[in-house]
Amino acid sequence: SQTIHQWPATLVQPVGSPLSLECTVEGTSNPNLYWYRQAAGRGLQLLFYSIGIDQISSEVPQNLSASRPQDRQFILSSKKLLLSDSGFYLCAWSGGMGDGYTFGSGTRLTVV
Amino acid sequence: DQQVKQNSPSLSVQEGRISILNCDYTNSMFDYFLWYKKYPAEGPTFLISISSIKDKNEDGRFTVFLNKSAKHLSLHIVPSQPGDSAVYFCAAIDNNDMRFGAGTRLTVKP
Repeated sequence: SQTIHQWPATLVQPVGSPLSLECTVEGTSNPNLYWYRQAAGRGLQLLFYSIGIDQISSEVPQNLSASRPQDRQFILSSKKLLLSDSGFYLCAWSGGMGDGYTFGSGTRLTVV
Repeated sequence: DQQVKQNSPSLSVQEGRISILNCDYTNSMFDYFLWYKKYPAEGPTFLISISSIKDKNEDGRFTVFLNKSAKHLSLHIVPSQPGDSAVYFCAAIDNNDMRFGAGTRLTVKP
């Protein structure tokens, strides 16, 4: 069966520090991978999606970037965190072809 | 551009009564609709879905209704239970692109 792992569960980082959140999927190949942020009043905001290795699309211009160095690994990064980067970040995968998404357990990021 | 809208940020219902969560969308190309349930500090979990070729799908206490002409769908929970208290997200798929509503926080009071 397919599983998705996302870590860390919580993270407190100072302003200006770098960020790296990792997400991996098991039990499937060539998944579509997504990074979402849950923002108050805006629900789940799509940040990045990837349909293959090194194929990243950005939905919202911001202080974040994403990379997919391996088929089942998706990384969310920042070189310098801002206070406004605080939030709940979710990784998700789908098999494509109109399938629903399966989400990871999320990362609560607090920038101080 | 919010293609999927949940206009009620919160809903409070008495245990045993019906909960009705509403969702509107603007993109007529959406062909599959889903509801996700989310508890605090957890990822959303899939609840129920409906294809655009149907107008109703039922799974136990949960029923989703789709009105394509009105671009509206709703989730009915009958009877509501305190464990149903969570944030519910409506989602819609167009090809390989899924969009979420802002969510509705449901509180079921014992």
